[in-house]
Amino acid sequence: AQRVTQPEKLLSVFKGAPVELKCNYSYSGSPELFWYVQYSRQRLQLLLRHISRESIKGFTADLNKGETSFHLKKPFAQEEDSAMYYCALVTGTASKLTFGTGTRLQVTL
Amino acid sequence: EPEVTQTPSHQVTQMGQEVILRCVPISNHLYFYWYRQILGQKVEFLVSFYNNEISEKSEIFDDQFSVERPDGSNFTLKIRSTKLEDSAMYFCASRQDHYGYTFGSGTRLTVV
Repeated sequence: AQRVTQPEKLLSVFKGAPVELKCNYSYSGSPELFWYVQYSRQRLQLLLRHISRESIKGFTADLNKGETSFHLKKPFAQEEDSAMYYCALVTGTASKLTFGTGTRLQVTL
Repeated sequence: EPEVTQTPSHQVTQMGQEVILRCVPISNHLYFYWYRQILGQKVEFLVSFYNNEISEKSEIFDDQFSVERPDGSNFTLKIRSTKLEDSAMYFCASRQDHYGYTFGSGTRLTVV
């Protein structure tokens, strides 16, 4: 069965420090992965999708099929990065999103 | 940038009452979804809708739930007889292609 695992509930870093939010997945098919961000109970906003290999707000994520991971990284954290981050996997005939439990990133001065 | 619009933003209802949550997806999108997020928990898939019918539903989406696209623009989620455990944030999403999911800002449902 498909599963997305985000092992850290909370990640606290200082401003300017590097950030890595971990995401591992389990899926028998060819994975399609996303990162979504949710600021203060607002709507889920697409941050990254692995297929486009883009960098948004300084964040990048590389799909590692060998390790079944899609970790989110940023070299220098900013205060405005504080939010909930969800890793999600596209699954099923309807291409629904299966979400991880989320990691709260807290950036402090 | 086009948005998915959800109304109301917050609904309080008594246990056993029916509620209808409304969504206006992006106009040229073809696939529609409802997700829910119980406070402090992860976002869970409820149902997907394509070509005027349900394409996939989760175990959560039992006979108490139904979806409809009554007029070509709105997409509604109805809960027939609400329970306390239905209290959650409900998100509507739509997409055109395989990658362009857009979420609404959600409806917070509180069942008392």
